[in-house]
Amino acid sequence: EDQVTQSPEALRLQEGESSSLNCSYTVSGLRGLFWYRQDPGKGPEFLFTLYSAGEEKEKERLKATLTKKESFLHITAPKPEDSATYLCAVRSSGGYNKLIFGAGTRLAVHP
Amino acid sequence: DTEVTQTPKHLVMGMTNKKSLKCEQHMGHRAMYWYKQKAKKPPELMFVYSYEKLSINESVPSRFSPECPNSSLLNLHLHALQPEDSALYLCASSQDSSSYEQYFGPGTRLTVT
Repeated sequence: EDQVTQSPEALRLQEGESSSLNCSYTVSGLRGLFWYRQDPGKGPEFLFTLYSAGEEKEKERLKATLTKKESFLHITAPKPEDSATYLCAVRSSGGYNKLIFGAGTRLAVHP
Repeated sequence: DTEVTQTPKHLVMGMTNKKSLKCEQHMGHRAMYWYKQKAKKPPELMFVYSYEKLSINESVPSRFSPECPNSSLLNLHLHALQPEDSALYLCASSQDSSSYEQYFGPGTRLTVT
């Protein structure tokens, strides 16, 4: 069964304090791992797609990496505006474009 | 432009009302999706439309009725909802149903009284 587990559930950082969010996945034949950012009461904002182990993507203070079992979202020198819930998802192995989401990590960055 | 728009932003309806949610995209995407998201939970897929045809229904109760009038528009018709249906309803689109990246709209916050 396809499964995505994110940790930690919540993370509090001081501004400038770098850290990483984890996404562990179980899927038969990975066809894409996705990172989204979601602000309260808003729709998820697409950040990255990773397809194969060893792949890395960067955007501003965010860097996503992928291994055969997990993905990390590294946040370097975060700012308060990076506060949000970060969602990880994999494409279902069921043959259509269904995303299986993790429960998310709620990130709070304090000045 | 990766914009998906949804209207209304907020909706309050009684259990006997009939209402509709609307979603629009102008990216030329041929797959569109409805998701339901409860507070502090991830989005859950409800329906998938591919080339204006319903391709996936994730066992959603019949009080939710999707419609895709054309390739840019997606509606969700609501009738006889229950209070537990209160949630954020999200629309998303992708280039086609085999394309991986899905782009989400801002959502409609639905409250059923």
